[in-house]
Amino acid sequence: SQTIHQWPATLVQPVGSPLSLECTVEGTSNPNLYWYRQAAGRGLQLLFYSVGIGQISSEVPQNLSASRPQDRQFILSSKKLLLSDSGFYLCAWREMWGDEKLFFGSGTQLSVL
Amino acid sequence: GQQLNQSPQSMFIQEGEDVSMNCTSSSIFNTWLWYKQDPGEGPVLLIALYKAGELTSNGRLTAQFGITRKDSFLNISASIPSDVGIYFCAGPKTSYDKVIFGPGTSLSVIP
Repeated sequence: SQTIHQWPATLVQPVGSPLSLECTVEGTSNPNLYWYRQAAGRGLQLLFYSVGIGQISSEVPQNLSASRPQDRQFILSSKKLLLSDSGFYLCAWREMWGDEKLFFGSGTQLSVL
Repeated sequence: GQQLNQSPQSMFIQEGEDVSMNCTSSSIFNTWLWYKQDPGEGPVLLIALYKAGELTSNGRLTAQFGITRKDSFLNISASIPSDVGIYFCAGPKTSYDKVIFGPGTSLSVIP
């Protein structure tokens, strides 16, 4: 069966520090991968999605970037965090050629102070 | 662009009551997904709908794909305290790769 791992669960970072959040999927090949951000427990904003290694689509201009160095690995990064980057970050995957069901990781609560 | 709207924004109900919520869009969707999110956790898929008019159940949950393909409904029968959470509808945008979410309906159940 497929599983998705996301870490860390919580993170407190000072303003201006770098960020790296990692997400890996097991039990499937060539998944579509997604990063969402959720502010104040409401509304999931799509940040990035990827349909293959090295292929990243950005939904909104921001202080963040994403990379997919391996088929089942998706990384969210920032060189210098802003206060506004605080939020709950969720990684998700779905089958590339299957139905549209999206499956989420357990999330990372990021607090930028 | 495509957007999803959900109503009500929040609900406070007594345990044992039935719940109804809906999701609407200005554009046609070919798939509707319903998720539940508990505090501090990732959303969990409840029901997926693929055809206009489709009615699908998952235990006490029933969801329907609207005939116009621009809306979907989720009903919860005989609510219990563990139904508390935020319910999201979602669907793929026209490019197929992106999945967008509604703003959510927050459900509180009073014992």
